[in-house]
Amino acid sequence: QKEVEQDPGPLSVPEGAIVSLNCTYSNSAFQYFMWYRQYSRKGPELLMYTYSSGNKEDGRFTAQVDKSSKYISLFIRDSQPSDSATYLCAMIGSSNTGKLIFGQGTTLQVKP
Amino acid sequence: DGGITQSPKYLFRKEGQNVTLSCEQNLNHDAMYWYRQDPGQGLRLIYYSQIVNDFQKGDIAEGYSVSREKKESFPLTVTSAQKNPTAFYLCASRPDRGNYNEQFFGPGTRLTVL
Repeated sequence: QKEVEQDPGPLSVPEGAIVSLNCTYSNSAFQYFMWYRQYSRKGPELLMYTYSSGNKEDGRFTAQVDKSSKYISLFIRDSQPSDSATYLCAMIGSSNTGKLIFGQGTTLQVKP
Repeated sequence: DGGITQSPKYLFRKEGQNVTLSCEQNLNHDAMYWYRQDPGQGLRLIYYSQIVNDFQKGDIAEGYSVSREKKESFPLTVTSAQKNPTAFYLCASRPDRGNYNEQFFGPGTRLTVL
């Protein structure tokens, strides 16, 4: 069983839809949770960064962490064609090595 | 401009050859990482280095080697011992300060074995 599970999709939605992307994990030591966005043939870029449980909002993006269920989500409101990309969840415990554990990535397509 | 550069963007290798992928950063970051990305498998850690002249194996180090002679540079050599080297290779760096864990990624190198 992988430490982090993410539905690879692909996920296709119409423009303006609300998108929900999810990851589950098994290691209760994870404390820092990140979402990266990766456009085709590019390197990933950090989208959201949260510590422990709770919600964090940044414009059209909301990240949720539920440590009791070992479940994290990324919501995209009013999705745009420019949001079409692969979204990777990543997480880490308290280790200072910076070794991130990534999910498989979900490919999202937003159709105009 | 500050950032991470990787070269070349595309690389073709014949079976049995060693190739070296370049990664340079001018962000003054202490830690650097190499990942491999295959379709449907996310990013897997090959090697990482937290300080000059020191590096550690990641989850899939077999068939790869690295060096860290300068803070700015962390080249990755894909040796002939790597049986399935065709993949997208990503280099990342991170400032080593406390629990700040964001990693900044380069644009990647796509390696194809002919």
